[in-house]
Amino acid sequence: DTEVTQTPKHLVMGMTNKKSLKCEQHMGHRAMYWYKQKAKKPPELMFVYSYEKLSINESVPSRFSPECPNSSLLNLHLHALQPEDSALYLCASSRGQGGDNQPQHFGDGTRLSIL
Amino acid sequence: GQQLNQSPQSMFIQEGEDVSMNCTSSSIFNTWLWYKQDPGEGPVLLIALYKAGELTSNGRLTAQFGITRKDSFLNISASIPSDVGIYFCAGQNSGGSNYKLTFGKGTLLTVNP
Repeated sequence: DTEVTQTPKHLVMGMTNKKSLKCEQHMGHRAMYWYKQKAKKPPELMFVYSYEKLSINESVPSRFSPECPNSSLLNLHLHALQPEDSALYLCASSRGQGGDNQPQHFGDGTRLSIL
Repeated sequence: GQQLNQSPQSMFIQEGEDVSMNCTSSSIFNTWLWYKQDPGEGPVLLIALYKAGELTSNGRLTAQFGITRKDSFLNISASIPSDVGIYFCAGQNSGGSNYKLTFGKGTLLTVNP
């Protein structure tokens, strides 16, 4: 069982809908991440939060809006998505206290389909 | 930017055989990570390597951090059907960019019973 929990597991939405993806971890990690993954490809980094502040935005379109309400939670708000946004969205976390020895641990993802 | 070359792209083996896959980079990394991803699930960390030359085992898995810091390999001994999945290597650096992982393109492993 993964220690990073993502909900929902599957999501189907229309291009005009607004939905949110949720991620939770209770490992005391202070860095949290959103990735997008297409089939049989490696994960692509979208956003990084460090100590609840947005640290990295990999030039992600504004229709994806991240939010970090507290150190255990990470949300990804979705609005006006395109069919090409259909993918597996992965959340990850790491200790985030600087230096080495802090591998990222992934959740099982949300499978998103845009109609 | 940094790129990782992971090979082979796919492998078809018989149960009981040993497996080897590797990653090479055009530049150095301070940390090498190996993940396995099953269908419908997220990547699971198998082994983390932090020192050049380090050799680390996790059950039937063995991974090494190359001396040059530009490569790593993963070996699986006596493969079993549940070893099926996609294996990703990832490199990571410390310092300001230490949140970013550079992933290889993955090795798809199929094990025939």
